[in-house]
Amino acid sequence: NAGVMQNPRHLVRRRGQEARLRCSPMKGHSHVYWYRQLPEEGLKFMVYLQKENIIDESGMPKERFSAEFPKEGPSILRIQQVVRGDSAAYFCASSSAPINTGELFFGEGSRLTVL
Amino acid sequence: DAKTTQPTSMDCAEGRAANLPCNHSTISGNEYVYWYRQIHSQGPQYIIHGLKNNETNEMASLIITEDRKSSTLILPHATLRDTAVYYCIVKADNAGNMLTFGGGTRLMVKP
Repeated sequence: NAGVMQNPRHLVRRRGQEARLRCSPMKGHSHVYWYRQLPEEGLKFMVYLQKENIIDESGMPKERFSAEFPKEGPSILRIQQVVRGDSAAYFCASSSAPINTGELFFGEGSRLTVL
Repeated sequence: DAKTTQPTSMDCAEGRAANLPCNHSTISGNEYVYWYRQIHSQGPQYIIHGLKNNETNEMASLIITEDRKSSTLILPHATLRDTAVYYCIVKADNAGNMLTFGGGTRLMVKP
């Protein structure tokens, strides 16, 4: 059973470009969470999605960031018009039920570098 | 969610038990204690969680004090591969959908 798969593992973008990060949850998991980890800092929650629904986006920046989890295919975290401050590791996690009843399984992360 | 306090860093000799403390003096009755770790450059990994009873699995043991104000994660025979940042998190089962990661304890296992 493959774990949470994230791609790309590394992404380099110039300021003003768009970044798209993909996350395929573990088989059978329908709950997806995105976290961001800035260099030398802790993990910060961004958004929680279930299939076709955003449940909690309280950690998402108000502008340029969006997330989706379509009925088919991976979850996508999209960052428009990237700036240097967006350089970070973005981790996706999944669970079989809402976190209040179980554990989170994390992917290996996507590392975004903005030049 | 209750705030947790952990030492910034700890050392442990390879093969010895690593005991990682966590203080959560303001924990509520319905809040669970979760432990995760993050090995350098990897995604966080779930270790164990508990409510009030001590818990053990193939990775570690979790000892929660009777008053639940603190807990200890025990890695019985630490190896070099256990070098990581260990996060203690408390969360109620009806308190939203995010885990709040603090600074954690950086455990260095030395040969």
